[in-house]
Amino acid sequence: GAGVSQTPSNKVTEKGKYVELRCDPISGHTALYWYRQSLGQGPEFLIYFQGTGAADDSGLPNDRFFAVRPEGSVSTLKIQRTERGDSAVYLCASSLTPGRNSPLHFGNGTRLTVT
Amino acid sequence: KNELEQSPQNLTAQEGEFITINCSYSVGISALHWLQQHPGGGIVSLFMLSSGKKKHGRLIATINIQEKHSSLHITASHPRDSAVYICAVPNAGGTSYGKLTFGQGTILTVHP
Repeated sequence: GAGVSQTPSNKVTEKGKYVELRCDPISGHTALYWYRQSLGQGPEFLIYFQGTGAADDSGLPNDRFFAVRPEGSVSTLKIQRTERGDSAVYLCASSLTPGRNSPLHFGNGTRLTVT
Repeated sequence: KNELEQSPQNLTAQEGEFITINCSYSVGISALHWLQQHPGGGIVSLFMLSSGKKKHGRLIATINIQEKHSSLHITASHPRDSAVYICAVPNAGGTSYGKLTFGQGTILTVHP
């Protein structure tokens, strides 16, 4: 596709369940980022991939959160034992390289609601 | 961690008015992003700048590195400009320019 694609666009799950959120970056983009945006707040960094490896996962809030990018393209953010506080919009972004002159392209996000 | 402060938090304007949104930051940076987010939609990158001024259509972004301040201007505003405008900067010492710290956003509403 032409842009960053995130699926599903909306996800409602019960407390304690496991969820997976998918991000399809722009083809050829090596850098991929996950952010979380709570209501009324700016996004917060979660994790950054360069290729297949997680170059920086310092933003993951706890060990219930995990992300993979096995082939260096599609990434999946996985949340175990979801809590109501995990409800937020999860945003994915990609760029051709992680460098200064490489624009970021964002997806439309996945709105996660934990009931 | 860099602290970003945007002002105003909410801005209402009439169509045609000149709009200014401000962003101040606490720690020296290499670049600053201005982003636009429509309700229910994703984020669009408007500008990335490290000095001076950039212009794209009716949008102008300026940055003063010494004063740690950036502004986003919209000329001849239109209702379709209604959105949240967010400034963001790369985390200091980070290995990637995409690892950003975001401001809280300015909600702009332009009435016809």
